[in-house]
Amino acid sequence: DAGVIQSPRHEVTEMGQEVTLRCKPISGHNSLFWYRQTMMRGLELLIYFNNNVPIDDSGMPEDRFSAKMPNASFSTLKIQPSEPRDSAVYFCASSLQGAGANVLTFGAGSRLTVL
Amino acid sequence: AQKVTQAQTEISVVEKEDVTLDCVYETRDTTYYLFWYKQPPSGELVFLIRRNSFDEQNEISGRYSWNFQKSTSSFNFTITASQVVDSAVYFCALSEAGLGQKLVFGQGTRLTINP
Repeated sequence: DAGVIQSPRHEVTEMGQEVTLRCKPISGHNSLFWYRQTMMRGLELLIYFNNNVPIDDSGMPEDRFSAKMPNASFSTLKIQPSEPRDSAVYFCASSLQGAGANVLTFGAGSRLTVL
Repeated sequence: AQKVTQAQTEISVVEKEDVTLDCVYETRDTTYYLFWYKQPPSGELVFLIRRNSFDEQNEISGRYSWNFQKSTSSFNFTITASQVVDSAVYFCALSEAGLGQKLVFGQGTRLTINP
């Protein structure tokens, strides 16, 4: 299996621009998670989906952030308009949810720099 | 609410020393799961171990061992005979049972093994 695939790996953009991060989860996994990592705040859960349905988006910082999962094999995280404080590494993770807690497999991350 | 505390921000030891990374958690659930992840300099998050709240047996995997104590709400990680390749940021995480099973991470401990 190719694992969780994220794109782009690196993105540099200017303040005010729209940013779209993409994620392809592991085939067969039914839960998908978006995390953000910064030095100040560590790893924060932004939103997670179960069977393509958003379950908890309480971690999404503000209305500038939105996430979609149109099908089981694709998800996007969009920031519009972007701000310098959005600079971070964004991780996507997926798992097969069942009885008990299942291991999240993380993608390599998308490093976003907003100038 | 879930909370994970890794009080040690950074640890630096000389190769071949033993080192223990501390993790203390808070949860109101009686059923929960604890994890350790490793983040090497390359940036990806690598799963190391998962334990459930009903299994307090210590676990050993090669040079790695984990000590789970419910009485002190701790899940500590020990590396025996450390090696330079163990240098990484290590995260402890907690997941409560139920839908989504989202992971809440501690702030991480940066471990540096010096030759």
